[in-house]
Amino acid sequence: DIQMTQSPSVLSASVGDRVTLSCKASQNINKNLDWYQQKLGEAPKLLIYFTNNLQTGIPSRFSGSGSGTDYTLTISSLQPEDVATYFCFQYNSGWTFGGGTKLELK
Amino acid sequence: EVQLVESGGGLVQPGRSLKLSCAASGFTFSNYYMAWVRQAPTKGLEWVAYISTGGGSTYYRDSVKGRFTISRDNAKSTLYLQMDSLRSEDTATYYCTTGSFDYWGQGVMVTVSS
Repeated sequence: DIQMTQSPSVLSASVGDRVTLSCKASQNINKNLDWYQQKLGEAPKLLIYFTNNLQTGIPSRFSGSGSGTDYTLTISSLQPEDVATYFCFQYNSGWTFGGGTKLELK
Repeated sequence: EVQLVESGGGLVQPGRSLKLSCAASGFTFSNYYMAWVRQAPTKGLEWVAYISTGGGSTYYRDSVKGRFTISRDNAKSTLYLQMDSLRSEDTATYYCTTGSFDYWGQGVMVTVSS
């Protein structure tokens, strides 16, 4: 089974900061990776699909990149409404979510 | 507008059964693979079961194989998850999702406890 490791587990940042979240797969997942945002008490929401494609309606400050085993989600200018937990998700072989990165305001 | 509405959750004793339903609307249900994903309290997400458009192909995570059954009724645009021999570790919020995991229901809580 493919394992997905996210880092850091908790990230504190200020409004306006550029924020980078990392996700590492245990083997090559061929860019078959999505990113989700989950706010407290809500269902996950798809932000980025297939590594770098912005889902409809998602602000352009969110972007994704990566290849092979290493992937990143970047928020170019952190907003208060971005406080949430972010999960990466691979579907190259089976389906596996990462453990999540909790993003807090400093 | 795509809507997925789960129901059927609740408190159940270990070893008992529960059946979740997910009513879909706003898209052609019969054309979509569907899945169930769960999230234990304060924990991460894990996929539970996956079903093809016609229901002929199903997939389960190892920990629920032989205990859970995913099914669908395309005429009713409804997805199901029959959960038997429930264990405390099955306690979680269960989400219904489309097979590409792009649309999610609001989730339904299942608590397995004596």
